[in-house]
Amino acid sequence: KAGVTQTPRYLIKTRGQQVTLSCSPISGHRSVSWYQQTPGQGLQFLFEYFSETQRNKGNFPGRFSGRQFSNSRSEMNVSTLELGDSALYLCASSPTTGNTEAFFGQGTRLTVV
Amino acid sequence: GQQLNQSPQSMFIQEGEDVSMNCTSSSIFNTWLWYKQDPGEGPVLLIALYKAGELTSNGRLTAQFGITRKDSFLNISASIPSDVGIYFCAGQLETGNQFYFGTGTSLTVIP
Repeated sequence: KAGVTQTPRYLIKTRGQQVTLSCSPISGHRSVSWYQQTPGQGLQFLFEYFSETQRNKGNFPGRFSGRQFSNSRSEMNVSTLELGDSALYLCASSPTTGNTEAFFGQGTRLTVV
Repeated sequence: GQQLNQSPQSMFIQEGEDVSMNCTSSSIFNTWLWYKQDPGEGPVLLIALYKAGELTSNGRLTAQFGITRKDSFLNISASIPSDVGIYFCAGQLETGNQFYFGTGTSLTVIP
């Protein structure tokens, strides 16, 4: 069974640009959650999507958005990038919403210069 | 957001020693999870706890759901070099599905 796949693995963007990250969950999993990981703040919850609907949202500005497609794949978008957005972005897939059996991808390392 | 205080922040131990770390919160959680993250990888779920007082093992790892529901503990017995990594606790509040993560404990095992 394939694991959670995140693309790209690494990304360098310039301040002010926008970026889209992709996450393909484990086959059969319908919930995808996104997290931002930084050395100073640790793992912080961004949002969760289940059945193409946002179910939960963390405390991040509106520049951070996401969506989920009918095949459960999810994308996360960050607009007007700031230097502080540099982080490892992780996605986790679960069979259902709020399920504890969450499996993480390897993450996308975003660097904003 | 919720604050999960994880301690110690880092540990340097000899191979074969036992390890203990804990996670505390000011709020009551109904689920506690423990993850391990290797460099360049995403966190991997080690143990999940669902009831106050629950004690669950996974090989040399044992975790407990605190009686007050505001804390959790992870023990690793007879540490080996591959135990090296960052260990995170995560908790889920009684209401809502969001998980909150601790700041992590970095473990170094000296052969």
